[in-house]
Amino acid sequence: GAGVSQSPSNKVTEKGKDVELRCDPISGHTALYWYRQRLGQGLEFLIYFQGNSAPDKSGLPSDRFSAERTGESVSTLTIQRTQQEDSAVYLCASSPVNRAYGYTFGSGTRLTVV
Amino acid sequence: TQLLEQSPQFLSIQEGENLTVYCNSSSVFSSLQWYRQEPGEGPVLLVTVVTGGEVKKLKRLTFQFGDARKDSSLHITAAQPGDTGLYLCAGTGTASKLTFGTGTRLQVTL
Repeated sequence: GAGVSQSPSNKVTEKGKDVELRCDPISGHTALYWYRQRLGQGLEFLIYFQGNSAPDKSGLPSDRFSAERTGESVSTLTIQRTQQEDSAVYLCASSPVNRAYGYTFGSGTRLTVV
Repeated sequence: TQLLEQSPQFLSIQEGENLTVYCNSSSVFSSLQWYRQEPGEGPVLLVTVVTGGEVKKLKRLTFQFGDARKDSSLHITAAQPGDTGLYLCAGTGTASKLTFGTGTRLQVTL
């Protein structure tokens, strides 16, 4: 597609429920990233996928968070047993192999845990 | 852990004023990028700098990468209300991921 697409754009869930967030990267972009942005804050790295290499999961805050990516296409970020502190905007970005071209971000999924 | 500190955190200025945003780290970065983010949207890339001492100009915006590749600055001349947003620097270092700065929220009023 023309840009990075994320769905849903907004998600309200009850504490304790599981949620799944989806990211469709730009076609041909081998790298995909998930970031979390709390209200008024900067971007917090969560996980990075590069081609068929093992993902860099060093930013995942707890074992309730996991992510998958099928080849060089769609990625899903799953949060199990959601907590109120998980409320944030979850941003996905993709980039070509040459990162000098920068990341292209989606508009994010705004997650609210009530 | 590579950290990028931005200053100031908040900046409110009037149209026509000049401003500079700073991005500092104790780590060396192979490249550094600046993004602008508007409410409800993801960050949008403004520029990438890769060479120590490099200066890039984008209309009224001037970006500089420090000689030691540990810091960068963004200077805006004659700010306009359309420049309002969250400005983020981001560096690529030894790790593959991009590390984002703490952000500078700019508001330009008429």
